Amino acid sequence: GAGVSQTPSNKVTEKGKYVELRCDPISGHTALYWYRQSLGQGPEFLIYFQGTGAADDSGLPNDRFFAVRPEGSVSTLKIQRTERGDSAVYLCASSPKPGLADVNEQFFGPGTRLTVL
Amino acid sequence: AQSVTQPDIHITVSEGASLELRCNYSYGATPYLFWYVQSPGQGLQLLLKYFSGDTLVQGIKGFEAEFKRSQSSFNLRKPSVHWSDAAEYFCAVSGYSTLTFGKGTMLLVSP
Repeated sequence: GAGVSQTPSNKVTEKGKYVELRCDPISGHTALYWYRQSLGQGPEFLIYFQGTGAADDSGLPNDRFFAVRPEGSVSTLKIQRTERGDSAVYLCASSPKPGLADVNEQFFGPGTRLTVL
Repeated sequence: AQSVTQPDIHITVSEGASLELRCNYSYGATPYLFWYVQSPGQGLQLLLKYFSGDTLVQGIKGFEAEFKRSQSSFNLRKPSVHWSDAAEYFCAVSGYSTLTFGKGTMLLVSP
């Protein structure tokens, strides 16, 4: 079946602009995660959804970052007043059953490369 | 807080030679451990995972990893490297839900 998809694959914007990044999880997966991967680093956790609600948003760096998942499927990561330091690859992952140790394998999408000029 | 250390930023291995990538973790309880591979322009692909039981776990593409609690390590191994294995490898630890990744090791394969 289809894997996790993310759109756009690349996004170039100017400092101060607003951007939205979209994630389509694997069908039926109830958990959805956003990570950010800066150059030369491993992915860093941003936010985790269980269904429609954010179960853990402790990784969001500041209040310019916000994410929603209104129907428990597609999620949108929103960044306001973008800064050059926001440039990174934003990864989305989904998992079939949240919180159960033997099935919390996460399946990753290809990512959205965000460049803020 | 949980953390992962991958001490080698780059490793070069000759094709056909054996490989070992190091991973050390810090976690207060029994960890759930993962190795992912990332090829250029590709998403992260899970190679293998450890939850419990046998400390030697087998993964895809001929990879294996051994969990050593006494050393807080989860090193990745492969007996014979192929040129197509050149990629970046990430070790990760999970508690309840989210993953904490190391900074990655870039594997270069020489002819």
